[in-house]
Order: sequence, then C-alpha cells, then structure tokens
Amino acid sequence: SYELTQPPSVSVSPGQTARITCSGNALTKKYAYWYQVKPGQAPVLVIYKDRERPSGIPERFSGSSSGTTVTFTISGVQPEDEADYYCQSPDSSGSYWVFGGGTKLTVL
Amino acid sequence: QVQLQESGPGLVKSSETLSLTCAVSGYSITSGYFWGWIRQPPGKGLEWIGNIYRNGTSYYSPSLKSRVTISVDTSKNQFSLKLRSVTARDTAVYYCARIPPAGSELTHWGQGTLVTVSS
Repeated sequence: SYELTQPPSVSVSPGQTARITCSGNALTKKYAYWYQVKPGQAPVLVIYKDRERPSGIPERFSGSSSGTTVTFTISGVQPEDEADYYCQSPDSSGSYWVFGGGTKLTVL
Repeated sequence: QVQLQESGPGLVKSSETLSLTCAVSGYSITSGYFWGWIRQPPGKGLEWIGNIYRNGTSYYSPSLKSRVTISVDTSKNQFSLKLRSVTARDTAVYYCARIPPAGSELTHWGQGTLVTVSS
C-alpha cells in the first residue's frame, strides 16, 4: 500500500525556520496537503495543493514541492506553532488517500 | 459557516458494529461538496477511513475496506460511518470532514468523538 514518510520530530528555537519533509512516490503527480493538530483539537488544514495557504492561515506557513518530496516550512516559528503536523495525499489512482506518520514540532 | 458534529456511542463491545453520524449544519449536504471520515488512535497518527462522493460513490482504506460502509442521509443532512467486527485496535477519536469539489483535501472538520472498544 502507498505510504508517505515524515520525520518523527523536528525541534527549533523561536524565530528560527522549521522545515518538515514528506516523501512519497506519487507526489510527482499528486498534490500534498498539510494539517496542524494540537492536543485535544481537531486538525486544521494549513497548506493545500502543495503550496497554497487557506484563508486565515499565517503567512509564515508555506509549502513547496520537488520530485517525490514536499516540504512544509514555518518561517519565524512562534511558540503557538508547537503541534503535530501531518502531510496527506492521494495515491496515484487519486481514489485512496493516505496520511504521513506525523511530525512533532517542538519549539525550544 | 459550515459546521460538522459527530455523534454516536462512546463505548462499543468487541466484535460489534461501531456506528457514527456526522450532522452537517450551515450547508446542504447535496450541494456539491463531498464527505470523509478519519480516525486517530490514542497516541498515534491520523488514519484515513474513507470518502463518499456524488451519487454515493465511495472509496475506503484498503486496510478497512472489508468492514466499512459510509452513507449519506440527505433527508437529515448527515452522513454516517459503520465499522463492523471491531476490536480494541479500532479504539480512536473519529472525525468527519468536508472535501471540496475536485479537491483532495479536508477543509472543515468536526471536533471528533472518542470511541472505545471494550472486551
């Protein structure tokens, strides 16, 4: 079955740049989406179609794509950005979706 | 503003069927968007369960396909999840969410509901 691979954890100090990668073979043909999950809260879509930002999402959140890897970036990390981040994408057929394993972002 | 709210039993016995409903408010369930279910076991990551599209076409996670059914009740503006033959591994927070037309993302989520499978 199709898989998306993320690093389990990323740590940065406030004001620094955090980058979280997500790798999958179908990412050359399918868009990736990113969600922020804080304890006890529902997930929030923070990036769609690799690099688009939904209304209300801070400008410091961005996304990019290169080959089979997509990257989620937070420029100038704030303490409130500490959360789990998940990438999501369909498989090559487009019909079956998958989430990455999630990355815990720690703000030191 | 669309709102989604999951409801159903918080405790299900092993081998029985888990049944949840997602009530949609602020938007007609037949007006072009599509609908999905996702779960998160305690301490683990998000897992896609399945989606339902126009005319009831649905797709399910291969790992759950043999046990899952998602359906839409247009008269009540809600959609439902049934997961049969549950075990402790099905204990999770279950979320419903909305999918935009021609999109592959989950733009709006319910708050989630914890379902515990007991032996």
